Amino acid sequence: EPEVTQTPSHQVTQMGQEVILRCVPISNHLYFYWYRQILGQKVEFLVSFYNNEISEKSEIFDDQFSVERPDGSNFTLKIRSTKLEDSAMYFCASSPRGYNEQFFGPGTRLTVL
Amino acid sequence: GESVGLHLPTLSVQEGDNSIINCAYSNSASDYFIWYKQESGKGPQFIIDIRSNMDKRQGQRVTVLLNKTVKHLSLQIAATQPGDSAVYFCAEGNAGNNRKLIWGLGTSLAVNP
Repeated sequence: EPEVTQTPSHQVTQMGQEVILRCVPISNHLYFYWYRQILGQKVEFLVSFYNNEISEKSEIFDDQFSVERPDGSNFTLKIRSTKLEDSAMYFCASSPRGYNEQFFGPGTRLTVL
Repeated sequence: GESVGLHLPTLSVQEGDNSIINCAYSNSASDYFIWYKQESGKGPQFIIDIRSNMDKRQGQRVTVLLNKTVKHLSLQIAATQPGDSAVYFCAEGNAGNNRKLIWGLGTSLAVNP
């Protein structure tokens, strides 16, 4: 059964450093998403991506964040200058047509020291 | 504003009993609702969804009920099993929001053998 994959599973970085979180969505899906979940809290929407552009982003997704689909298979989230409060689980999700069930990856745990 | 919340943060049931997890939402414009299950250390896993033109939908051992009058959503799990132990999230969506999901806080379900 196809699944969303994410790498790395755990990323530790120093405050101020750039990180890139990688995702490989399910191959025939058209809609892609990033969410984050701070430990013990609810899942928060960051950004949705369709047709090679951002379709919506939340207030969390400020200028420090960017997304890219560089090669038609990977979907990346970049944080340019990490802050302590960026520490969270970051989930990538994809959906065949949007609005239907979104399939989630296992997440990347980002720890900013 | 938009919000999705859960009535009970924790629920403990005996194996074999039925479980009911409740969720309240405040955005009348939401027209899509979804339940996810999240096991420890894993990404959210789709359980069942329902659109606003329905008030009930059944899956395998699960039933989702939607009451638009009181903006209430519930997930019923029949014959709860130890493998059902997880955190359950409800989320709402709206076609006007480019299919992003707004998530509730989550309910932890513990199944006692």
